[in-house]
Amino acid sequence: GAVVSQHPSRVICKSGTSVKIECRSLDFQATTMFWYRQFPKKSLMLMATSNEGSKATYEQGVEKDKFLINHASLTLSTLTVTSAHPEDSSFYICSARKEGSGSYNEQFFGPGTRLTVL
Amino acid sequence: AQSVSQHNHHVILSEAASLELGCNYSYGGTVNLFWYVQYPGQHLQLLLKYFSGDPLVKGIKGFEAEFIKSKFSFNLRKPSVQWSDTAEYFCAVNARKAAGNKLTFGGGTRVLVKP
Repeated sequence: GAVVSQHPSRVICKSGTSVKIECRSLDFQATTMFWYRQFPKKSLMLMATSNEGSKATYEQGVEKDKFLINHASLTLSTLTVTSAHPEDSSFYICSARKEGSGSYNEQFFGPGTRLTVL
Repeated sequence: AQSVSQHNHHVILSEAASLELGCNYSYGGTVNLFWYVQYPGQHLQLLLKYFSGDPLVKGIKGFEAEFIKSKFSFNLRKPSVQWSDTAEYFCAVNARKAAGNKLTFGGGTRVLVKP
């Protein structure tokens, strides 16, 4: 199998605080993980590509100082939303890329984390 | 950069009806194509994918999709839906030359199957 977990599943925080979201690949190693943001009734928007042992690659328009990504091991990536504000409230989803023998390595998705900033 | 559009935002149909969801992409190069499903309260799951070969791809749960290169389309179909097919469906594209296997998603289609 290829299972990806996220923790926490839901978090409510006060404006100005920081929140850390974990993404784990449970039964495979992932040198690359992705972080997405899903707005209500909208699609997934790629925020950044998390690379084990190196800096994350952020998509255009995503503030890297606001959304800190750390890929500390082959099974764990974390997203920290710093100084969160109500507009950061969203559903954050991670995926982990499973290395394979083909030219494309499939992504497996976590269940998502609902962040609400008051 | 590639983009993906899904024509229907919401679809409501009855059990046993046929389903077709449209997906078009814009990208001039070679692509890999995907359909994902997100059941209520669950994570995204891969329904089917197309890399090369037969443009008619069969996936899980009776779904299939057809890649029409000339139309830049990858429409999803199911001949007879069930109540359990109620979910949100996302089309996604990966440009083969794009670094890191990045996926671009369409806006999603919410499907409600009435029993």
